[in-house]
Amino acid sequence: EDQVTQSPEALRLQEGESSSLNCSYTVSGLRGLFWYRQDPGKGPEFLFTLYSAGEEKEKERLKATLTKKESFLHITAPKPEDSATYLCATAAYSGAGSYQLTFGKGTKLSVIP
Amino acid sequence: IAGITQAPTSQILAAGRRMTLRCTQDMRHNAMYWYRQDLGLGLRLIHYSNTAGTTGKGEVPDGYSVSRANTDDFPLTLASAVPSQTSVYFCASRGEGQGYGYTFGSGTRLTVV
Repeated sequence: EDQVTQSPEALRLQEGESSSLNCSYTVSGLRGLFWYRQDPGKGPEFLFTLYSAGEEKEKERLKATLTKKESFLHITAPKPEDSATYLCATAAYSGAGSYQLTFGKGTKLSVIP
Repeated sequence: IAGITQAPTSQILAAGRRMTLRCTQDMRHNAMYWYRQDLGLGLRLIHYSNTAGTTGKGEVPDGYSVSRANTDDFPLTLASAVPSQTSVYFCASRGEGQGYGYTFGSGTRLTVV
């Protein structure tokens, strides 16, 4: 059974204070690791997909990296608008050319001005 | 604007009543999903459909049913609601190609009393 564990559960940062969120996973045959951002009262918003160890992707102040057992979401010089819950998910094949995502419980990030 | 529309946005439902949550997408995505999100448990897959005419069970399917008569619509039905089905429900879809993340709707907040 695929498992996705995110840490920490919550993180408070001062504006400009860089940090990293962790996502560790156990999955047989990883077909993709996904990062989402979720704002209160809204659905998750897609950020990144990573496929193989060593891969990195960036978007504004966010950079996602992947190893064989975990992924990190690095936040550089965060701003208050980066406050959200960040979700990690792994992809598993579900047949007929499609796949399903298994989500972690998320890290709630608060950036204080 | 292309995306997923869920209705209603919120609902209070008496236990034992039947309820259908609606989900419509205009992106012509083949794969669609229903998740529930609960505090401390994260997003859990209820049912999925890889293409019109097919459906499958996810992690927590009991008490729920779905249908997929066409590409655009994927309704979720609670035949006889119970308080444990109080949750926020998200519909999602995925386009072709592994690089595509899920697109989520804005959710339906359901309270069963």
